[in-house]
Amino acid sequence: GDSVTQMEGPVTLSEEAFLTINCTYTATGYPSLFWYVQYPGEGLQLLLKATKADDKGSNKGFEATYRKETTSFHLEKGSVQVSDSAVYFCALSDLDRGNTPLVFGKGTRLSVIA
Amino acid sequence: EADIYQTPRYLVIGTGKKITLECSQTMGHDKMYWYQQDPGMELHLIHYSYGVNSTEKGDLSSESTVSRIRTEHFPLTLESARPSHTSQYLCASRPSRDIHTQYFGPGTRLTVL
Repeated sequence: GDSVTQMEGPVTLSEEAFLTINCTYTATGYPSLFWYVQYPGEGLQLLLKATKADDKGSNKGFEATYRKETTSFHLEKGSVQVSDSAVYFCALSDLDRGNTPLVFGKGTRLSVIA
Repeated sequence: EADIYQTPRYLVIGTGKKITLECSQTMGHDKMYWYQQDPGMELHLIHYSYGVNSTEKGDLSSESTVSRIRTEHFPLTLESARPSHTSQYLCASRPSRDIHTQYFGPGTRLTVL
């Protein structure tokens, strides 16, 4: 079945450091890919998405490129801030599976220290 | 941005009590979901619904039940709470037209003593 694997955390970075959170996927069809973010005490929010190969999703300085050849969707940010401290989830939606819910990775906790 | 609400936000109850966690959305979304989030932050799908009178069990076995009598409302009920039910519960919804994006509520943090 479909699955998402993302790097385990926690990840601790200093402010202004470069961030990469790896995400790879397995899908039977042609999925759309997402990154969600969960700030402390809140639900998940959509951060960015990409619906086809080579698409780049971007938002709030974060970027991720849909790489079909490597089945990856790594999240990057050039200069993190303390306010980026949160848990990040990679997810996929497989159109070939119709109405089925999103498949989520296990989440990666990011802590940014000043 | 979707409006999806969960009440209560925090609940502490004793073992054996019956509880209902409320979830409502005002966007007219057909699809709704309940997730249980463990302390390690992993999400586990416990129930979902494709529309009124439709409910399905998710990937994680759960002793909870759900109902979908109205489009906007998807409550989750525990008939007899136990300490093992202590967790964060997240509700989400998705519109039929945008089949990709799920919108999440703020969550209910449940503690069973």
